[in-house]
Amino acid sequence: EAQVTQNPRYLITVTGKKLTVTCSQNMNHEYMSWYRQDPGLGLRQIYYSMNVEVTDKGDVPEGYKVSRKEKRNFPLILESPSPNQTSLYFCASSFLRADTEAFFGQGTRLTVV
Amino acid sequence: AQKITQTQPGMFVQEKEAVTLDCTYDTSDQSYGLFWYKQPSSGEMIFLIYQGSYDEQNATEGRYSLNFQKARKSANLVISASQLGDSAMYFCAMREGGGSQGNLIFGKGTKLSVKP
Repeated sequence: EAQVTQNPRYLITVTGKKLTVTCSQNMNHEYMSWYRQDPGLGLRQIYYSMNVEVTDKGDVPEGYKVSRKEKRNFPLILESPSPNQTSLYFCASSFLRADTEAFFGQGTRLTVV
Repeated sequence: AQKITQTQPGMFVQEKEAVTLDCTYDTSDQSYGLFWYKQPSSGEMIFLIYQGSYDEQNATEGRYSLNFQKARKSANLVISASQLGDSAMYFCAMREGGGSQGNLIFGKGTKLSVKP
């Protein structure tokens, strides 16, 4: 089944404790992206990747890192999480064309206390 | 500057009536794609409809249609015969075909509530 898999679905952590949210897709997509969703702010892009070893900052990259060592995986790393990173996170992937829709993971609800 | 603007944070519609959700966009590219996604309360993102910048006809998918006005840079979603299950957040998004080809940017969303 074609899908984007994010893990974990829910996470509660403490300030400063490094964490990684994994994202994997099985559709051979070139494009992958991370978004955070906050009430009233919509989906804001954190980082995106057009292909292996190619990543770019989105609108809100501060406090996050990503890597794209393999085509299928695009982990989101929070080196030192802070409470303002409490949010709902989505990973998405697609082919790199203007006319193709993106497929989304199920979302990760992160709480930093 | 915001590339995707959704001016209606929330809307109400009576069941079985039609509703239009507004979306305007900003791009200097000639080639781009416009998308609408639905997010029900369960949280998943569901792709609804796509409109290409070169498409001459408005896109339709079942009860969803996209009112595309290129000169005005608007891509409004029209839902006909609203159902209770249409209550959700709706996001407009754009992919540009130029220098940032393929990057997908979203608006802030509109929360639609369907009243019985």
